[in-house]
Amino acid sequence: GAGVSQSPRYKVAKRGQDVALRCDPISGHVSLFWYQQALGQGPEFLTYFQNEAQLDKSGLPSDRFFAERPEGSVSTLKIQRTQQEDSAVYLCASSPPGTITDTQYFGPGTRLTVL
Amino acid sequence: AQSVAQPEDQVNVAEGNPLTVKCTYSVSGNPYLFWYVQYPNRGLQFLLKYITGDNLVKGSYGFEAEFNKSQTSFHLKKPSALVSDSALYFCAVRMRYGGATNKLIFGTGTLLAVQP
Repeated sequence: GAGVSQSPRYKVAKRGQDVALRCDPISGHVSLFWYQQALGQGPEFLTYFQNEAQLDKSGLPSDRFFAERPEGSVSTLKIQRTQQEDSAVYLCASSPPGTITDTQYFGPGTRLTVL
Repeated sequence: AQSVAQPEDQVNVAEGNPLTVKCTYSVSGNPYLFWYVQYPNRGLQFLLKYITGDNLVKGSYGFEAEFNKSQTSFHLKKPSALVSDSALYFCAVRMRYGGATNKLIFGTGTLLAVQP
């Protein structure tokens, strides 16, 4: 079946612009995660949704970062007034309903470059 | 603080030889342990996970990993490496009692290079 999809795959923004990154999880997956992967680093947790509820946003680096999942399926990560340090790959992952042991399945990521 | 260490930035191995990619963790309790692989310009692909039971876990593409509680390690292994195994490998942990979040904590990754 179809995996997690993300769009756009690449985004170039000028410093100060707002960007919106989209994630389409695997159909039926309840949990959705956003991670940020800086160059040469492992992914770092940003935020977590269970259905439409944002249960953890402790990893969002500043109030310029905002995520939503209004209908419990597609999610959007928005970054306002982008800065150069926001340049990274943004990964989305989803996992099925069940237990904490469920595997997270990742999308291909969106590579954001802020000039 | 919870952390995952992958002490080798790069591992080089000849095709056909066994490979080991090391991972140690420092977290409270007994976490769930995962390995993911990342190919260029692609997302993370799940390889295997340890939840409970047998310390040797078998996963995709002939990979396996051995959980060692006393050494807090979860090393990834394969008996015979293939050139196509060349990729970036990430170890990750998830807290067994994480409250509302099932977030993964990742290591910094190890680049595996298999020479023909």
